[in-house]
Amino acid sequence: DSGVTQTPKHLITATGQRVTLRCSPRSGDLSVYWYQQSLDQGLQFLIQYYNGEERAKGNILERFSAQQFPDLHSELNLSSLELGDSALYFCASSVGSLKDTQYFGPGTRLTVL
Amino acid sequence: ELKVEQNPLFLSMQEGKNYTIYCNYSTTSDRLYWYRQDPGKSLESLFVLLSNGAVKQEGRLMASLDTKARLSTLHITAAVHDLSATYFCAVDRPMEYGNKLVFGAGTILRVKS
Repeated sequence: DSGVTQTPKHLITATGQRVTLRCSPRSGDLSVYWYQQSLDQGLQFLIQYYNGEERAKGNILERFSAQQFPDLHSELNLSSLELGDSALYFCASSVGSLKDTQYFGPGTRLTVL
Repeated sequence: ELKVEQNPLFLSMQEGKNYTIYCNYSTTSDRLYWYRQDPGKSLESLFVLLSNGAVKQEGRLMASLDTKARLSTLHITAAVHDLSATYFCAVDRPMEYGNKLVFGAGTILRVKS
């Protein structure tokens, strides 16, 4: 158990819908990262927040957005869902904003029907 | 753009045998990570290699880093069934105010008894 928690574990929804994935980092960690894992794209970095501020952005679609709240938990919002958005979404956390070991949560499996 | 390549992508081996997984990356980096993932589960941090020549061992797994060759290896000694999993290497990709991990495609390891 890494200490990073994610909810929900599974999410099944329909195309065109909007969902919110939630992540709580390990105690003491200020950075939160979101990654998407799919069979065709592998593990892809989406976005990083540090202490409430966006710090790095990857290949995140415009339909996706994220934020980190004052209590350091983070939410990833996915809207206008498409079949291709079906994937495992991981949250990771680390102490700092730069080169620190990232600890991964259990993931949220999103299925878009 | 930083690219991380692992080989082999699939490895089927007998219990008791030795084998090595290779991880090449395309641009300079002084930190490399190895993660393990069981099917449908999270990524578990195995090793963090911080400098050229770094070698770390945990049980039957040993990881090394050659930053000049941009190569890391994960050596498996006397494999046992419990080592069956997918192994990922990942490299830090610092960005202006943050950081991301760039992952290899993963090596699926199956240890047969």
